[in-house]
Amino acid sequence: DARVTQTPRDKVTEMGQEVTMRCQPILGHNTVFWYRQTMMQGLELLAYFRNRAPLDDSGMPKDRFSAEMPDATLATLKIQPSEPRDSAVYFCASGGGYNEQFFGPGTRLTVL
Amino acid sequence: SQKIEQNSEALNIQEGKTATLTCNYTNYSPAYLQWYRQDPGRGPVFLLLIRENEKEKRKERLKVTFDTTLKQSLFHITASQPADSATYLCALDERGSYIPTFGRGTSLIVHP
Repeated sequence: DARVTQTPRDKVTEMGQEVTMRCQPILGHNTVFWYRQTMMQGLELLAYFRNRAPLDDSGMPKDRFSAEMPDATLATLKIQPSEPRDSAVYFCASGGGYNEQFFGPGTRLTVL
Repeated sequence: SQKIEQNSEALNIQEGKTATLTCNYTNYSPAYLQWYRQDPGRGPVFLLLIRENEKEKRKERLKVTFDTTLKQSLFHITASQPADSATYLCALDERGSYIPTFGRGTSLIVHP
């Protein structure tokens, strides 16, 4: 049963600390998305990769966020330094060439 | 500006009735429209995709309609069950883009 995995599931950290979230997309999928979900804003796209190349990160605050795909089995999202307003659920999703996306379980981030 | 609107108020219905959820959009030329289901604490799950040249699509108890003149999609669940209670998100794929934009979602509560 192929699925997207994300770690950690929950993260509580203090303002100013670095946060790294990891995602393992479904094997064979060539697109990876990072989203942030909050009650106020809903699902916001942060970054989009196709064949490991970043194609769109216009939704990401560049000064503190970075997204990479070091290989086809791993996508990372880093926040440095973290701020309380970054508190949200972060989802990774992968796609296999059609438009539907397969979402991971999310990382719930709390920045104190 | 571009907007995707889903009713922010929860839809409460009795078991066995048909639930109808609405997705309206402005300033989009979508090639596809998708519907996802999201349960609390989980990532969205893909349900159905309908193309701009399709009027209607069905899958088991689900039916989606797409009216590009009205700029609206309706999502129907027939013979609803308490297990259908969740938040339902619509997502638009603009022509030429591989990145869907999500609505905020509507919560459906099916009462036994």
